[in-house]
Amino acid sequence: EAGVVQSPRYKIIEKKQPVAFWCNPISGHNTLYWYLQNLGQGPELLIRYENEEAVDDSQLPKDRFSAERLKGVDSTLKIQPAELGDSAVYLCASSQRGDRNTEAFFGQGTRLTVV
Amino acid sequence: GESVGLHLPTLSVQEGDNSIINCAYSNSASDYFIWYKQESGKGPQFIIDIRSNMDKRQGQRVTVLLNKTVKHLSLQIAATQPGDSAVYFCAEKGGKLIFGQGTELSVKP
Repeated sequence: EAGVVQSPRYKIIEKKQPVAFWCNPISGHNTLYWYLQNLGQGPELLIRYENEEAVDDSQLPKDRFSAERLKGVDSTLKIQPAELGDSAVYLCASSQRGDRNTEAFFGQGTRLTVV
Repeated sequence: GESVGLHLPTLSVQEGDNSIINCAYSNSASDYFIWYKQESGKGPQFIIDIRSNMDKRQGQRVTVLLNKTVKHLSLQIAATQPGDSAVYFCAEKGGKLIFGQGTELSVKP
């Protein structure tokens, strides 16, 4: 069974440019998470979806970040415009459902470098 | 606010020894915890989980202990191998999945 798939693996862009990341969760997983991970830190939640509904986006900087999961499967995370401080790894994870007792599985992440 | 944190940022052990990685959490209502292993350039990899109605759970070479009284959990790795070198995170999963800072485990041959 395929795991969580993310693309691209690496992205280098100039500041003020837009960038988008894509995530395909594990088949049948209703819950999808986007995380940001800075070097040497634990992942920090940006947004959580239950099917196509964003149920927790309180940590998403909405002035420049946006996300969508239109059909409740794949998801995209966008930054526009990117800033130098956005350089980080962006991780996507999925679980069967968002309630307490089901494990979440992660993709390989997209490493973003803003120059 | 909620937080899940680790006591030590780095841990160095000799190959073959047992490793113990600790984690403290602050939300007393937490009832499900996961340990993840993250190797360089990869996403976190699920290792083992434990529910709050348990105080111990064993996997292959790994054991997780949960002490709800002091809001502490630990990951024990038996006979640590070079392939165990990675950063280990504990995470609390309710609706959110909240991570601590991580402990970097280094295994000396």
